[in-house]
Amino acid sequence: GQNIDQPTEMTATEGAIVQINCTYQTSGFNGLFWYQQHAGEAPTFLSYNVLDGLEEKGRFSSFLSRSKGYSYLLLKELQMKDSASYLCAVRDDDYKLSFGAGTTVTVRA
Amino acid sequence: TAGITQAPTSQILAAGRSMTLRCTQDMRHNAMYWYRQDLGLGLRLIHYSNTAGTTGKGEVPDGYSVSRANTDDFPLTLASAVPSQTSVYFCASSERVAGPETQYFGPGTRLLVL
Repeated sequence: GQNIDQPTEMTATEGAIVQINCTYQTSGFNGLFWYQQHAGEAPTFLSYNVLDGLEEKGRFSSFLSRSKGYSYLLLKELQMKDSASYLCAVRDDDYKLSFGAGTTVTVRA
Repeated sequence: TAGITQAPTSQILAAGRSMTLRCTQDMRHNAMYWYRQDLGLGLRLIHYSNTAGTTGKGEVPDGYSVSRANTDDFPLTLASAVPSQTSVYFCASSERVAGPETQYFGPGTRLLVL
């Protein structure tokens, strides 16, 4: 089976930086995705990593180390609207996505 | 742009009854997926279809069936609902199975089985 671990909850202050870690053990690897999901809504795509290194998209960055089975999502200059659940998902050898349980980030004023 | 639509938005269903959750996409995506999302467990794949005319089983397929008669529609059927099928169901699609293309998710169907 697939095993994807991420912290359940994180709290940070508006304007700060938060790093959400994700570790995975899966049957093969064909890319790692991060999604954002606001309460009661559908997940929306944030980032995609398939090679080692950092991918930057505005205030959001995602890092991947395939040898360590590790990724993180970095959220900079936090805003209240960033309060949401962040889902780490790994695509395996069968090109199916397996999701972590999600990390709920609460941004305080 | 509609993207992916799901119906109904929510439903209360008596145990033992059957129900079909509808999913339609207008992006001409080849692959479509059904997930259920439960608190603390994250999204789990129920069934998938890599292209019209083909379907496959995901992580939790028992009690569910799907069909993919055309590119746009991917209905999910519960033949005889049980309370453990209470969940939020998301349909998703992607242009291709591989590559950097992400999956796009519908708004979800909230199902309560009593």
